[in-house]
Amino acid sequence: DSGVTQTPKHLITATGQRVTLRCSPRSGDLSVYWYQQSLDQGLQFLIQYYNGEERAKGNILERFSAQQFPDLHSELNLSSLELGDSALYFCASSVDGTSNEQFFGPGTRLTVL
Amino acid sequence: EDQVTQSPEALRLQEGESSSLNCSYTVSGLRGLFWYRQDPGKGPEFLFTLYSAGEEKEKERLKATLTKKESFLHITAPKPEDSATYLCAVQGWVAGNMLTFGGGTRLMVKP
Repeated sequence: DSGVTQTPKHLITATGQRVTLRCSPRSGDLSVYWYQQSLDQGLQFLIQYYNGEERAKGNILERFSAQQFPDLHSELNLSSLELGDSALYFCASSVDGTSNEQFFGPGTRLTVL
Repeated sequence: EDQVTQSPEALRLQEGESSSLNCSYTVSGLRGLFWYRQDPGKGPEFLFTLYSAGEEKEKERLKATLTKKESFLHITAPKPEDSATYLCAVQGWVAGNMLTFGGGTRLMVKP
């Protein structure tokens, strides 16, 4: 158990809908990262937050957005969902914004029908 | 752009049969190279961080090594419980804190 928690574990929804994925980092960690893992793309970095501020952006679609709250938990919002958004979404956390080791949560499996 | 290529894509071993997994990388200044283990449907589990060429780290039956162009994960006398996908990732100075992952090596160890 890495200490990173994610909810929900599974999410099934329809095309065009909007969902919110939630992540709580390890105790004491200030930085949160979101990754998407699909069968054809592998594990891809989406976005990083550090102490409430956006720190880095990867291949995140405009339909996706994220934020980190004062209690350091983070939410990833996915809107206008398409079939191709079906994937595992992982949150990771690290001690600070420059720390190397990132510890991953158990993931949320999103299925878009 | 940072790139990571892992080989082989899949590896079947008999219990006790040692082998190595390869991770080739190109990165704009290496901050760290990471090995993770991932079981089906679960999050990647951190194994090692390597920072500079020549560095080695060990944990139980696993040993990770690093050169300027690649890293190897050596598995000595594997057991069925070592079956998993092993992921390699790099973190470069230019790309910031993001990890760039390879496609992984799916290891199956048969009893």
